[in-house]
Amino acid sequence: GQNIDQPTEMTATEGAIVQINCTYQTSGFNGLFWYQQHAGEAPTFLSYNVLDGLEEKGRFSSFLSRSKGYSYLLLKELQMKDSASYLCAVTDSNYQLIWGAGTKLIIKP
Amino acid sequence: EPEVTQTPSHQVTQMGQEVILRCVPISNHLYFYWYRQILGQKVEFLVSFYNNEISEKSEIFDDQFSVERPDGSNFTLKIRSTKLEDSAMYFCASNLPELASGGDPNTGELFFGEGSRLTVL
Repeated sequence: GQNIDQPTEMTATEGAIVQINCTYQTSGFNGLFWYQQHAGEAPTFLSYNVLDGLEEKGRFSSFLSRSKGYSYLLLKELQMKDSASYLCAVTDSNYQLIWGAGTKLIIKP
Repeated sequence: EPEVTQTPSHQVTQMGQEVILRCVPISNHLYFYWYRQILGQKVEFLVSFYNNEISEKSEIFDDQFSVERPDGSNFTLKIRSTKLEDSAMYFCASNLPELASGGDPNTGELFFGEGSRLTVL
């Protein structure tokens, strides 16, 4: 079956760095997305990785290792507004987008 | 900045009633989607739509559901005979395929509407 695993919840301190991991087992791979979702709101796009390596975009970076079926989202200089759920989603061989359950990130002052 | 818009933002209905959720995708996008998210659970794919027909649908998208693009701008999700378990947030999304990928829709960023919260009593 197809599966995406990410931690249910993480806590971090304002100003710190946090890494949210995602592992996947899917039938084929055509890219991995990270989305941010604040409670009661729609997901918003953060990043897309299809090749191995690190993609940096401001305070957020996303890493992919296709051989390990692994990605992480790195958030630096955490702000209170970063408190949200972070969703990992993978496109499989049929170009179907498979969603993880999301990681709820709690930022403390 | 162009955005996907959805109406209504919240609808309360009685079990067994029909509901229509409306979406206006971004005007130059070619692929349209409906997703749902039951409170506290993961985002679930319902259906994708391209060139005026369904391109893919999930097992959730049974005969109770239908989609339509009645004109050049609206994209609707109809839920017939609603059930209690249909209570969820329904998100519409659209995207424009990346040309480098040969036009595959799932290599492009999805743009989501703000969602329609459906409560079935």
